[in-house]
Amino acid sequence: AQSVTQLGSHVSVSEGALVLLRCNYSSSVPPYLFWYVQYPNQGLQLLLKYTSAATLVKGINGFEAEFKKSETSFHLTKPSAHMSDAAEYFCAVRIIQGAQKLVFGQGTRLTINP
Amino acid sequence: GAGVSQSPSNKVTEKGKDVELRCDPISGHTALYWYRQSLGQGLEFLIYFQGNSAPDKSGLPSDRFSAERTGGSVSTLTIQRTQQEDSAVYLCASSLEGTSGSTDTQYFGPGTRLTVL
Repeated sequence: AQSVTQLGSHVSVSEGALVLLRCNYSSSVPPYLFWYVQYPNQGLQLLLKYTSAATLVKGINGFEAEFKKSETSFHLTKPSAHMSDAAEYFCAVRIIQGAQKLVFGQGTRLTINP
Repeated sequence: GAGVSQSPSNKVTEKGKDVELRCDPISGHTALYWYRQSLGQGLEFLIYFQGNSAPDKSGLPSDRFSAERTGGSVSTLTIQRTQQEDSAVYLCASSLEGTSGSTDTQYFGPGTRLTVL
């Protein structure tokens, strides 16, 4: 069965610093991978997705993620954090065949320090 | 254009009562999903609709939970005899196709926060 592990339930960085949120997946078949962001009292918004094309995926708000099959990872990065990036971030996996559901990691709460 | 909408945004009920949660997907989206977000369990899949059919309802936690979709559009999630452990945010999402191999994105609504007293 496929699963996702997000390392670090809380990450805190200074404004202007690099943001790195870690995600590792487990899947016996090629996966589609997603990063979603959730602002307080809102639903989930797609940041970016990997669907077996380019391994480096660029998303909204300056975020990007790199699919590394050898490491089974899909870490999310942003070169310079803004205060507005404070939110909860979820990594999710969906297998290509069969079930259409997303399997989510536990989430990482990102705090930006001024 | 209009996104996924859900109603009510908040629902407070007493233990043992039935509740209905509504989801209006993006127009033209054939696939619809329900998820539950709770402190202890994170984000969990509940049920998936393709049109009016539910080929995957594996995430429904008990037979107190049911869902239907009519006209390939609006969906209702019903929880009977609510329990305190049902307290959570219920999220609905829709996607264009949702078929095997499809790369389309699931778009989420704002959720319904359910509190069972």
